[in-house]
Amino acid sequence: DAKTTQPNSMESNEEEPVHLPCNHSTISGTDYIHWYRQLPSQGPEYVIHGLTSNVNNRMASLAIAEDRKSSTLILHRATLRDAAVYYCIPALLTSGSARQLTFGSGTQLTVLP
Amino acid sequence: KAGVTQTPRYLIKTRGQQVTLSCSPISGHRSVSWYQQTPGQGLQFLFEYFSETQRNKGNFPGRFSGRQFSNSRSEMNVSTLELGDSALYLCASSLEGTTNNEQFFGPGTRLTVL
Repeated sequence: DAKTTQPNSMESNEEEPVHLPCNHSTISGTDYIHWYRQLPSQGPEYVIHGLTSNVNNRMASLAIAEDRKSSTLILHRATLRDAAVYYCIPALLTSGSARQLTFGSGTQLTVLP
Repeated sequence: KAGVTQTPRYLIKTRGQQVTLSCSPISGHRSVSWYQQTPGQGLQFLFEYFSETQRNKGNFPGRFSGRQFSNSRSEMNVSTLELGDSALYLCASSLEGTTNNEQFFGPGTRLTVL
């Protein structure tokens, strides 16, 4: 199984950019990388996903290394509401054409006012 | 549009009992996945249903089962409950599955087994 490695915790100041790293050196060439976040007492929330090229949406940007062994989630201006556990997740092929999200332990992001 | 709903939100059962949890996906979504979240093991995939068929299954014992109805609503059942089954059970829906779709998670059902 592909394994991801993320820092256990990170801190950021409010209104500053945040770069959340993830190593996924064993994913295959067809495994999408998804990022979700989970706020306290809520279900996970989709943030962004990508395969090879960098991706942007209203919430964040995803920078994927050329060799696909790592990626970085970028929050351009952190707010207090961004404090959450951020999960970097490969969508692994498990049987036939079926894939599943394999959650790791994630990074607890603390945003300081 | 309405999000993913799960019922009940909280449940208390005793060892040996069985329990059924329900999940209503977002309208138009055909894939429903179930996850178990515990402090020790984190979020673990249970199974995925697509068009009434189980398409994918995680590494859980046969006591955990599920089904999906023609309207895409899904239920999961846990028989012969054990203390270790106490967890937050989350369901997520998506249009087609996890390859290139975002999953929308419900608020979860908190199950406590005494």
